[in-house]
Amino acid sequence: DIQLTQTPSSLSASVGDRVTITCRASQSMTRYLNWYQQTPGRAPKLLIYGTSILQSGVPSRFSGSGSGTEFTLTISGLQPEDFATYYCQQSYSDPDTFGQGTRLEI
Amino acid sequence: QVQLQQWGAGLLKPSETLSLTCGVFGASTSDHYWSWIRQPPGKGLEWIGEINHRGRTKYSPSLKSRLSMSMDTSKAQFSLKMTSVTAADTAFYYCARARDHGDFDSWGQGTLVSVSS
Repeated sequence: DIQLTQTPSSLSASVGDRVTITCRASQSMTRYLNWYQQTPGRAPKLLIYGTSILQSGVPSRFSGSGSGTEFTLTISGLQPEDFATYYCQQSYSDPDTFGQGTRLEI
Repeated sequence: QVQLQQWGAGLLKPSETLSLTCGVFGASTSDHYWSWIRQPPGKGLEWIGEINHRGRTKYSPSLKSRLSMSMDTSKAQFSLKMTSVTAADTAFYYCARARDHGDFDSWGQGTLVSVSS
């Protein structure tokens, strides 16, 4: 199984900040890296798929990049509604796996 | 807009069988894979498995021996069964649609399944 390790596990930031979350994979993979946002009591919401493709309806302050074993999610200009937990997920190799999550706090 | 609505028993005793169903609205079940994902309270996400309209399944190796998934395209529903549950299976269970990049773009509302004697 491909293991995904997210750093940091938690992050404190302020409205207007730019933050980056990293997802490192235990083996090299391409394209099939996706990012989700989850708020308490809600199902995860897809933000980015295929490493860098913005899901329809997601604000452009969210962006994704990366290749090989290192991938990043960047939020430019944090808004109050962005304080949540973020997960990466790979579908490059069965079984699909998720990172352990990054909690973004005010 | 695709909507998934799920239902099933939320309280089970150890050794019982978990049974959940997910209804698909606004999309055809003939496209994509249809998945189940779970999340223990306060913890991370775990992929359980998926099924397509032809009944082809993929299961998590760690759960495979206890899993069964089925698809009813006439009703636009798919289902999950997990046998011999234990307290370790207590979690929020979500159904979701998997697209071409393996991304889950639509999710059910989640069902909390608690296993307790």
